[in-house]
Amino acid sequence: EPEVTQTPSHQVTQMGQEVILRCVPISNHLYFYWYRQILGQKVEFLVSFYNNEISEKSEIFDDQFSVERPDGSNFTLKIRSTKLEDSAMYFCASSGWSEKLFFGSGTQLSVL
Amino acid sequence: AQTVTQSQPEMSVQEAETVTLSCTYDTSESDYYLFWYKQPPSRQMILVIRQEAYKQQNATENRFSVNFQKAAKSFSLKISDSQLGDAAMYFCAYRSVQGGSEKLVFGKGMKLTVNP
Repeated sequence: EPEVTQTPSHQVTQMGQEVILRCVPISNHLYFYWYRQILGQKVEFLVSFYNNEISEKSEIFDDQFSVERPDGSNFTLKIRSTKLEDSAMYFCASSGWSEKLFFGSGTQLSVL
Repeated sequence: AQTVTQSQPEMSVQEAETVTLSCTYDTSESDYYLFWYKQPPSRQMILVIRQEAYKQQNATENRFSVNFQKAAKSFSLKISDSQLGDAAMYFCAYRSVQGGSEKLVFGKGMKLTVNP
């Protein structure tokens, strides 16, 4: 079965540094998402992306965050200046025309 | 805005027995999707089962079935013949059909322990 692939699985960074989380969605999918889960809490929506633009974003997705699909296969989430509270598991997901979302295994981001 | 509530933070079940996980939601929409996701210790989110609100028939996937009560806005998950591999966090989630919102709204999750 096709998979959503996320790299790296773990990322440690210093507060104030920029990080880029990478995702390779399933190849024929059209919709792409980022979610995050702070340890012990619910999974929260960050942003959805369709047709090379953001289609929806949450209040969490402020100016420090950006997404990009640079080459037609990768889908990246950039955090410009990380804060301690950005520490979380970040999940990429993709979907085709159906409502079924396929999630990646996540990137655990630790901000020190 | 839609909300999803999972009021039981933890449950346990004996191997081979049946357990029901509860979920309620709040929405003013008439058509939507509901999902149950499983999150094992590896933390990957795995889709267990989904239900379309316009369908009256409850969804079933092997040992997993739902009891969807639209009027009560209730969406419970029944796991039959529980197995050790079923131990995980389970999240209930809602997704709109109308209005263009594609996001999933998750509940807080429930930790299921399966005892041998």
